[in-house]
Amino acid sequence: GQNIDQPTEMTATEGAIVQINCTYQTSGFNGLFWYQQHAGEAPTFLSYNVLDGLEEKGRFSSFLSRSKGYSYLLLKELQMKDSASYLCAVRDSNYQLIWGAGTKLIIKP
Amino acid sequence: TAGITQAPTSQILAAGRSMTLRCTQDMRHNAMYWYRQDLGLGLRLIHYSNTAGTTGKGEVPDGYSVSRANTDDFPLTLASAVPSQTSVYFCASSGSSWDTQYFGPGTRLTVL
Repeated sequence: GQNIDQPTEMTATEGAIVQINCTYQTSGFNGLFWYQQHAGEAPTFLSYNVLDGLEEKGRFSSFLSRSKGYSYLLLKELQMKDSASYLCAVRDSNYQLIWGAGTKLIIKP
Repeated sequence: TAGITQAPTSQILAAGRSMTLRCTQDMRHNAMYWYRQDLGLGLRLIHYSNTAGTTGKGEVPDGYSVSRANTDDFPLTLASAVPSQTSVYFCASSGSSWDTQYFGPGTRLTVL
């Protein structure tokens, strides 16, 4: 079966750095996505990795290791507005997205 | 640009009734998707359409039907609602099945 694992909840302090991990087992791999979802809102696209390595976009970075079936999202200089759920999704061999349950990130002042 | 719109925003529906959730995009995207999101679970694909005139079944298609008569619209119909269909429904679109998916604001449906 296909499986995406993420921690259910994480807590971090404003101004700090947090790393959200995602491990996956899917039938085929055609890229990994990270989305942000604020409570009661739609998911919004953050990043995409298809090759191994680090992709940096401002305060957010995403890393991929295909051999390990592993990715992480790194958020720097945390702000209160970063309190949200972060969703990891893998595009499988049928080009469908398989989604993790999401990690709820709580930022404390 | 509106992007993707969904209607209604929320709805309470009696079990056994039918309902159509509407989704419209103005980005001329070829591919469109319907997901449901339940607490503690990842988004699950119900149906998808890679281009106007074609549709396909996702992970959880039972009890739902879709049509794609044109590029912009992708309605989702529940023929006879059951309480297990209580969920938040998101419509999404992408330029093609290769591209990033963008989501509508969602419809919160409660079936009693």
